[in-house]
Amino acid sequence: EVQLVESGGGLVQPGRSLRLSCAASGFTFDDYAMHWVRQAPGKGLEWVSGINWNSGIIGYADSVKGRFTISRDNAKNFLHLQMNSLRAEDTALYHCAKARDSSVHDAFDIWGQGTMVSVSS
Amino acid sequence: EIVLTQSPATLSLSPGERATLSCRASQSVSSYLAWYQQKPGQAPRLLIYDASNRATGIPARFSGSGSGTDFTLTISSLEPEDFAVYYCQQRSSWYTFGQGTKLEIK
Repeated sequence: EVQLVESGGGLVQPGRSLRLSCAASGFTFDDYAMHWVRQAPGKGLEWVSGINWNSGIIGYADSVKGRFTISRDNAKNFLHLQMNSLRAEDTALYHCAKARDSSVHDAFDIWGQGTMVSVSS
Repeated sequence: EIVLTQSPATLSLSPGERATLSCRASQSVSSYLAWYQQKPGQAPRLLIYDASNRATGIPARFSGSGSGTDFTLTISSLEPEDFAVYYCQQRSSWYTFGQGTKLEIK
């Protein structure tokens, strides 16, 4: 079964850091690009960051550029998101998502259930 | 940044009726548009990619059309499980999502 399971969320103070992880299983991880998408409570979807199969192409939303870093470990089938200088507006459910192809530019065909990040003092 | 505007914000229909959802882009995205369905407490599900291609396992009652700046998701005959929120997404210039259309039971 193809599966993505996120972890690492929690309650954190503004300005602090958090590292999210996504464990992938049921498919050949290094054949596909991967992404992070977030959803603030009661709001819509916002793309956060994406990485192609070999980490050669990486992109970020303007709202997180310079604060968040995406990475992947193809040997262990993990996707990560290092989040620094967190702000209240980063509060959201963070989903890991698999692209349909190795290219970073493709639709997302598999999604995890998400891990919740709450930024508050 | 490419802005996607979905309309209507809410659509109230009955099972068996036809649903037409729209997504307009602030600039051309060619055919690089996808549609997702999201039910409460669940992750989004890919329905349509590249404007008109159904994803694996998606019923034939779902269809997509359009190119450039104007796109449509059509559900030919609504089933009870189709009532959900629908998002469009462009991949022409990294990614953006529309704000969503809530399809509710009338």
